[in-house]
Amino acid sequence: SQTIHQWPATLVQPVGSPLSLECTVEGTSNPNLYWYRQAAGRGLQLLFYSVGIGQISSEVPQNLSASRPQDRQFILSSKKLLLSDSGFYLCACTLRDFITDTQYFGPGTRLTVL
Amino acid sequence: QQQVKQSPQSLIVQKGGIPIINCAYENTAFDYFPWYQQFPGKGPALLIAIRPDVSEKKEGRFTISFNKSAKQFSLHIMDSQPGDSATYFCAAGSSGAGSYQLTFGKGTKLSVIP
Repeated sequence: SQTIHQWPATLVQPVGSPLSLECTVEGTSNPNLYWYRQAAGRGLQLLFYSVGIGQISSEVPQNLSASRPQDRQFILSSKKLLLSDSGFYLCACTLRDFITDTQYFGPGTRLTVL
Repeated sequence: QQQVKQSPQSLIVQKGGIPIINCAYENTAFDYFPWYQQFPGKGPALLIAIRPDVSEKKEGRFTISFNKSAKQFSLHIMDSQPGDSATYFCAAGSSGAGSYQLTFGKGTKLSVIP
């Protein structure tokens, strides 16, 4: 079965600093990968998704970017963080089961921008 | 058209009660309806899912009811326990651009009191 790792688990960064969050997936190959953001007490906002190495689709225009340098690695970055970037960042992957694609989430990274 | 409306926002039930969470959608292209359970500080975990060719699916104490004509689906938790206290998200999915994307409801915070 698949395992999703996210690093770091928590992060406190000053406004204007850069950001790099990493997601790695074990136990599957060629997954679809996703980055979501969850504000405190709010729902899940899809930020980026990727269907393969180097292929990134953006759902929400903002100062964040994503990259997929390897099949099972997904990175979320920013050159200059804003206060509004605070939130809980979740990586997810899609596996193909016999009925439909099933989406699984990682443990998340709690980002606080001060 | 891509929205999934979830209600109520919060719900308090006594142990043994049957909380019901409702979701409604507009996009008839949706063909996959999962429910996720999220504990504080953790990533969402897939709880149960249904496709529109069935009207009900049961797994343990969790049941999804699906009404295709009304474009509504709901989660019932039988014999609820304090350990079920969590935030529940409904979602709806459809294939697009080779990536299986989910549209999430805003979540329902369930509290089960002893």
